[in-house]
Amino acid sequence: QSALTQPASVSGSPGQSITISCTGTSSDVGGYNYVSWYQQHPGKAPKLIIYEVGNRPSGVSNRFSGSKSGNTASLTISGLQAEDETDYYCSSYTSSDTWVFGGGTKLTVL
Amino acid sequence: QVQLVQSGAEVKKPGASVKVSCKASGYTLTDFAIHWVRQAPGQRLEWMGWINFGNINRKYSQKFQGRVTMDTSASTAYMQLSSLRSEDTAVYYCARTLDWGFVFWGQGTLVTVSS
Repeated sequence: QSALTQPASVSGSPGQSITISCTGTSSDVGGYNYVSWYQQHPGKAPKLIIYEVGNRPSGVSNRFSGSKSGNTASLTISGLQAEDETDYYCSSYTSSDTWVFGGGTKLTVL
Repeated sequence: QVQLVQSGAEVKKPGASVKVSCKASGYTLTDFAIHWVRQAPGQRLEWMGWINFGNINRKYSQKFQGRVTMDTSASTAYMQLSSLRSEDTAVYYCARTLDWGFVFWGQGTLVTVSS
């Protein structure tokens, strides 16, 4: 199972919006609405910020939103803040009853 | 509250095996599988497999088939990785889902493989 494809890095200025893409196949991202997104600060465990494509867990800022079109899922962060600068990963359930993560994206707030 | 508490850091020589534990509490253990995810230094998250308490169903990533064994005993899940090589140096996490997302994570266990 190959990793889902994410851009290595994205950047934006405070207050702006950015979008991180996550491309898979019809056997994972395109086949199920079980895409999730994680925020991971250095040395910490990942934190779930989006589940089932576009749902936010309790306590997660509504500046984070998710969507999907075909085999590509997207995470949008609006109103960028300095504290958003870190790594983001997508994940999907697959037709093999396994899970797969993306390669990760480093977000820089300029 | 849900807690996943992992065993401490390990240092192993190439070719050896390591067994990491994950003690689960705060929920009905048979309702959710425990997943194992690893992260090599500076690298991406990598899903390794899952195991269920109770009926002991398990599923491994193809990448680790033949080298990984997952098991449970009472309220603890275990992940054993054999034939270790330097590329297996990583932080190993156990995790549990809720609504198809990994919402609960252990604190991570650093496994260092070095001669």
